[in-house]
Amino acid sequence: SAVISQKPSRDICQRGTSLTIQCQVDSQVTMMFWYRQQPGQSLTLIATANQGSEATYESGFVIDKFPISRPNLTFSTLTVSNMSPEDSSIYLCSARRGGRREETQYFGPGTRLLVL
Amino acid sequence: GQQVMQIPQYQHVQEGEDFTTYCNSSTTLSNIQWYKQRPGGHPVFLIQLVKSGEVKKQKRLTFQFGEAKKNSSLHITATQTTDVGTYFCAGPTPGDYKLSFGAGTTVTVRA
Repeated sequence: SAVISQKPSRDICQRGTSLTIQCQVDSQVTMMFWYRQQPGQSLTLIATANQGSEATYESGFVIDKFPISRPNLTFSTLTVSNMSPEDSSIYLCSARRGGRREETQYFGPGTRLLVL
Repeated sequence: GQQVMQIPQYQHVQEGEDFTTYCNSSTTLSNIQWYKQRPGGHPVFLIQLVKSGEVKKQKRLTFQFGEAKKNSSLHITATQTTDVGTYFCAGPTPGDYKLSFGAGTTVTVRA
C-alpha cells in the first residue's frame, strides 16, 4: 500500500486568492492524480501529475486555473488559482504505484476548501 | 467515452438486513475496483475483480464481476452501523490508464 498525506487538511479562503495543496507519498509511485469531489458527489479527475513535465488535464480543467507540479516520484502540488465560491470542494491526491490499470489507487485524506 | 453507472444512489437499510448495490459499464472492463468512503473520510480501496464471473468475499461483503465483464455488484449481509458510507465502483477507461468512478451508493443504517 501507499500512505499519502496532504496539507492543508482544510482552509477557508477569500475569493480571488490562490491556495497550494501539497501531496506527499511515503514511497515512490509511478502515477499521481488530483481529483475534486463536490459534497455528496463522485470523484472528478482534474489532472494526472507527470514527473518532470506538464500535467495532463481533463476536459474542463486548465493549467492556468489549476497549475500542478511534480518535481519527483513522491511529491506533487495543486494550486487553485483566483478562487471563487464555485471552487469550494474537497481536493484529493491519489497515487498508483505502477502504471498498469489493474493496480490499486490510494487516496490522501483530502483538502477541504471553502471559498468565501 | 466510458460511463460507469451505479444504482441505487442512496440506500437506507435497517440494521441486520441485507442489500445490494449495482455497477454497470458501457464498455467491457479489464477489471473493476470497489472503494468505500466513510462520512468525512477519503476513498479506501476494498477489492479488485479481474476474471469473468469472479466472486470474492470479505466477511459480510460479497463482490461479483459479471460474465460479460460489464457489470458488478456488492452485496452486504446483516448490515451494521459500521457499513455506513459511500461505496464507489471504478473501472479503467478503455485504452487509457485512468479510472472512471461511478456516482456511488450512499448507505445509511437505521438501528
